[in-house]
Amino acid sequence: GENVEQHPSTLSVQEGDSAVIKCTYSDSASNYFPWYKQELGKRPQLIIDIRSNVGEKKDQRIAVTLNKTAKHFSLHITETQPEDSAVYFCAASSIGFGNEKLTFGTGTRLTIIP
Amino acid sequence: DVKVTQSSRYLVKRTGEKVFLECVQDMDHENMFWYRQDPGLGLRLIYFSYDVKMKEKGDIPEGYSVSREKKERFSLILESASTNQTSMYLCASSVGRRNEKLFFGSGTQLSVL
Repeated sequence: GENVEQHPSTLSVQEGDSAVIKCTYSDSASNYFPWYKQELGKRPQLIIDIRSNVGEKKDQRIAVTLNKTAKHFSLHITETQPEDSAVYFCAASSIGFGNEKLTFGTGTRLTIIP
Repeated sequence: DVKVTQSSRYLVKRTGEKVFLECVQDMDHENMFWYRQDPGLGLRLIYFSYDVKMKEKGDIPEGYSVSREKKERFSLILESASTNQTSMYLCASSVGRRNEKLFFGSGTQLSVL
């Protein structure tokens, strides 16, 4: 089955700086890569996702990049703000193939230092 | 706005008890999921369902079962609760392409004593 590794497990950055979270996956059939954000005491929410037919996707201060050859993808947050403090989870799935289970990484706790 | 509602926010049970965790979604979603969340382990899939009366095992189904008698309701059952099932349980639903855009419930923190 799919295995998703996520690094780092914790990350602290100064407000206004950029943050990068990296994930690797094992199954070359995976073609869908979402990122979820979970604020303290709240439910995980989808913030951005990317399919394997594109290499990068942006949404305001958030971007995700995908390297299919190396089987890794990253979340980039620019101009970080206090409300970006949360746990971020990456995930991978093979949409349209037999085994479509979504496998999550272990999470990164991001702390923005004012 | 999609609403996924889990019946209890906190639950305390004794070892050996049968435990029911209920989840209801109000957006007519076909797909429903149960995950457990543990520190350092992320979210792990227990069971999922793509249709009424249909269920599939996830990555960690041992000790659990599920029921989906109606489209909007997906129940997780711990037949005989054990201390290693103490965890945060998250229900989720999605529409259309199965694992895209999951909407999560607020979670049930289960403690088994």
